[in-house]
Amino acid sequence: VQLVESGGGLVQPGRSLRLSCAASGFTFHDYGMHWVRQAPGKGLEWVSSISWNSDTIGYAGSVQGRFTISRDNAKNSLYLQMNNLRADDTALYYCTKDEGGWGGSNEHWGQGTLVTVSS
Amino acid sequence: VLTQSPGTLSLSPGERATLSCRASQSVSTSYLAWYQQRPGQAPRLLIYGESRRATGIPDRFRASGSGTDFTLTISRLDPEDFAVYYCQQYGGTSIAFGGGTKVEIK
Repeated sequence: VQLVESGGGLVQPGRSLRLSCAASGFTFHDYGMHWVRQAPGKGLEWVSSISWNSDTIGYAGSVQGRFTISRDNAKNSLYLQMNNLRADDTALYYCTKDEGGWGGSNEHWGQGTLVTVSS
Repeated sequence: VLTQSPGTLSLSPGERATLSCRASQSVSTSYLAWYQQRPGQAPRLLIYGESRRATGIPDRFRASGSGTDFTLTISRLDPEDFAVYYCQQYGGTSIAFGGGTKVEIK
């Protein structure tokens, strides 16, 4: 299993950013996927989850209405569209694979992509 | 909300570590996980659903508990076990991590 995140960087408050996660080594369309973030020096925070077929999606309250999770099973890819970014969105964003199609633990993790929101 | 204690545990290699995770509401054992994060690394899954060890996790790691009180026990600390440990409630969109317990070398 390999999960490779990309798309992070420095962005001004209020702007947008789109993260991507390229998955390989497993049958992507069979598994739910998640985004989990970690602010510098802090703990883990769940951000969003999507089921194997995109039918079920969930968001943390802190990002609801600003972030959108999606996936393209044909491209073995997971995305996170982040709009109206705030300073407290600054974090390392991990892409993780569910143990099943939806609602399971985070079985595998990528190495993360860093998002810094600052003027 | 998941509350982990202690915040830091100072122990020597070979000692036993006992980490606590307390939930504000009852959590099914089927949806309680533990993760390990070594410095500079991504977290990795240790324990999931009904206290099962993830692939490759040695049997010195054991999870127990039910309801609102859960425990991760490391029977004999190996040098590679000094890390931060997180508990997690999952299942649907009721997902939350505890604040973490750092196990450091005494």
